[in-house]
Amino acid sequence: DAKTTQPNSMESNEEEPVHLPCNHSTISGTDYIHWYRQLPSQGPEYVIHGLTSNVNNRMASLAIAEDRKSSTLILHRATLRDAAVYYCILRGNFGNEKLTFGTGTRLTIIP
Amino acid sequence: DTAVSQTPKYLVTQMGNDKSIKCEQNLGHDTMYWYKQDSKKFLKIMFSYNNKELIINETVPNRFSPKSPDKAHLNLHINSLELGDSAVYFCASSQRGGGNEQFFGPGTRLTVL
Repeated sequence: DAKTTQPNSMESNEEEPVHLPCNHSTISGTDYIHWYRQLPSQGPEYVIHGLTSNVNNRMASLAIAEDRKSSTLILHRATLRDAAVYYCILRGNFGNEKLTFGTGTRLTIIP
Repeated sequence: DTAVSQTPKYLVTQMGNDKSIKCEQNLGHDTMYWYKQDSKKFLKIMFSYNNKELIINETVPNRFSPKSPDKAHLNLHINSLELGDSAVYFCASSQRGGGNEQFFGPGTRLTVL
């Protein structure tokens, strides 16, 4: 399984943007880049995913490097509810599509 | 309406017992999964079914047996429970394909005494 590397933890001030980095230098051409987060005592929650182009949705933005070896999840205005563990995961296509979770980045929001 | 539901939410049992966890999704997805999250919060996939067919079977003791009666349900039966089975078990569903998101249930916290 292609692996991802994320910082163990990050802190950010409330109402400021947060940039969560992820390196995935062994990504293959058919791997999608997925981000999930897990709030305390809850199941993982889908945040965003992309293949090659940058993506935006109501929760976040995903910036993907041109060579696809790294990506950044952007929370535009962090709130206390965004405090969670964020997982960057590569998901292959048919036949190789399981989500392999790493240790993720624990995001702390400072009021 | 809950998209992915699991029952029970909590399960406390003695070593050696057999127990089941049920999962249902109302999203119309064709693929369902079971994950285990241990005490160190490491989340690992166990099984996946697509249209009732087993497609992912990770290295899991054969005391664990998934059963999918239909596309909307994936149950997990565990025989001869051991202390090390204590964990939170999450069910998830998605449409098959790497470009589709997975939706997770709230989890079942299993404690084996």
